[in-house]
Formats: sequence, C-alpha cells, structure tokens
Amino acid sequence: AQSVTQLDSQVPVFEEAPVELRCNYSSSVSVYLFWYVQYPNQGLQLLLKYLSGSTLVKGINGFEAEFNKSQTSFHLRKPSVHISDTAEYFCAVSDLGNYQLIWGAGTKLIIKP
Amino acid sequence: KAGVTQTPRYLIKTRGQQVTLSCSPISGHRSVSWYQQTPGQGLQFLFEYFSETQRNKGNFPGRFSGRQFSNSRSEMNVSTLELGDSALYLCASSLEAQGGGYTFGSGTRLTVV
Repeated sequence: AQSVTQLDSQVPVFEEAPVELRCNYSSSVSVYLFWYVQYPNQGLQLLLKYLSGSTLVKGINGFEAEFNKSQTSFHLRKPSVHISDTAEYFCAVSDLGNYQLIWGAGTKLIIKP
Repeated sequence: KAGVTQTPRYLIKTRGQQVTLSCSPISGHRSVSWYQQTPGQGLQFLFEYFSETQRNKGNFPGRFSGRQFSNSRSEMNVSTLELGDSALYLCASSLEAQGGGYTFGSGTRLTVV
C-alpha cells in the first residue's frame, strides 16, 4: 500500500533564507503528487501538483517542487521565505485509479525573524 | 466563484449521539471527498463520491457513512459518537475524476464530550 513520509516534523528557517521540505512516497507505480498548505484553523490549500510532464513544477506563493521517480521523492522548495509562509505543509499522493489522497504527517515551517 | 462550504464550522456533541455534517462543493465539481484530521492520526481518507456513487472508502467503522445528492452536495453522518471521533472533518471537491487537485473547505470541528 502507498505511504508518504515527510522526513521533518518541523523546519525552522530564517526569513529570506531558502527552504526545502522533504517528501518521499513508497510505491513507484504511476502516481499523482500534491503539496498542500494549512494555515491555523483553516482548511488545506493546494500549492502545486504533479500529474505528468516536466518534473519541475511551479506553484503559488513562489513555491516549486521536483518529482524524482528513481528516488520516489517530491521535495518542496522556496528560494526565499517570508513570515507569511508560517504554516503546516502536507505532501499527498494518489495512485492512478484510486480516488483517495494518502497524506504525509505534515511539516511545520517556522520562520525566524 | 464560491469555494467549498462546510457547515457547521463547530459542533459539540455528547457520546452516543449522532451527527450530520454538510458540504457544498464548488459549482460544477462532481467529486467530493471527506477526510478526518486529528493530531494523533493526521489526515485520513473517509470516502469519495462521484455523481452520487461512492467510489472509494477508507478504513473507518460502519458508524461513518456518507451520501451525495444529485446537485453534488454531500453529507457525512457519524452515529453513536465516541470521544475519539473528535476531529476536524474536511471536505474536498474536484472538477476532474482524478488528479485535478482538490479544493478543501475550512472544515467542521467536531468535539465529542
């Protein structure tokens, strides 16, 4: 069965520094990959998705992610973070033909001034 | 256009009672999914409906049920509430059958006392 691992539960980073949030999934069968962000007391907002095509995916708010099939990874990056990026970030995977998202445990991004 | 609307936002129920949560998807979206979010278990898939048919169900007891109406609005019901059912319940809708990315509502915070 598919599983998703977000390697860091918390990532502290200084404002304007770059950040990478790591995500690995277990199965190498064809998948769709997603990153969502959750601000306190809110639902989840889609940052970006990979369905097919270019392995570098650009999303909203300056985020991007790279799909690496051989390493079954989909790491999220931002070159310069802002205090407003403070939130929890979730990686999710959907196997083709399976209408559900399998979620990672989430990574809290903590921006230090 | 209007987003995914979940009602109510907050709910307090007593053990043994039942509860019904409502979700109105984005207009034109035919797929509706439900997720439970708790600090201990994270995000877990409950079920997904497409055109009034349940296509996939997560690993939850039969006390958890759902349905979708012809206008794509969906409800989920939890009977015989237990303390462990306290959670944020999130609804998501999608335009495409799969891979389109899901738009989430703000959730219903259920507290069972």
